[in-house]
Amino acid sequence: KAGVTQTPRYLIKTRGQQVTLSCSPISGHRSVSWYQQTPGQGLQFLFEYFSETQRNKGNFPGRFSGRQFSNSRSEMNVSTLELGDSALYLCASSFTGGGDTEAFFGQGTRLTVV
Amino acid sequence: GENVGLHLPTLSVQEGDNSIINCAYSNSASDYFIWYKQESGKGPQFIIDIRSNMDKRQGQRVTVLLNKTVKHLSLQIAATQPGDSAVYFCAENYGGSQGNLIFGKGTKLSVKP
Repeated sequence: KAGVTQTPRYLIKTRGQQVTLSCSPISGHRSVSWYQQTPGQGLQFLFEYFSETQRNKGNFPGRFSGRQFSNSRSEMNVSTLELGDSALYLCASSFTGGGDTEAFFGQGTRLTVV
Repeated sequence: GENVGLHLPTLSVQEGDNSIINCAYSNSASDYFIWYKQESGKGPQFIIDIRSNMDKRQGQRVTVLLNKTVKHLSLQIAATQPGDSAVYFCAENYGGSQGNLIFGKGTKLSVKP
């Protein structure tokens, strides 16, 4: 079956702009989690959606938001971009999103803010 | 490819040797641990997991050891191959949901042919 698909793979944006990233989970998976990966901070949890509801949220400012659609596809949005938002954004899907279930990651979207 | 960590600890091993990657976790309440492998340009890939009621678990060519006394986790890779070259992350979970998954900084494994 198809894996987790993230689009686009690469993005370049200007400070102050906003960006929307997309994640299509594995068919049948209802949980989608988003992570930010940077060389300095490593992998940090942004938020998790399950059945169109945000179930968990990490410690990121309100400029970072997300949503999930009825087909479990998810989008995350970053408004008023800052240089420090440059990172690899990863999404992971799992069947239930429980902490002891395997999560499958996409290849990520590399966001560069200039 | 992606450079996921500019200052990662690096382990360099000869092809065919065994590799041991170590990880210190932070929360004594963590009850589930996972090792991920991340190759350049790809997302993390699940390798093996272990629950806190176990101290050892074996997979195909990989073994995870858990020492709760000192909050230490290790990943052993037998007969390391060039395809094992990647960044390896440990992750701990203490809250029962994806939101409480804390990742380590990672170790870069480099396999010399």
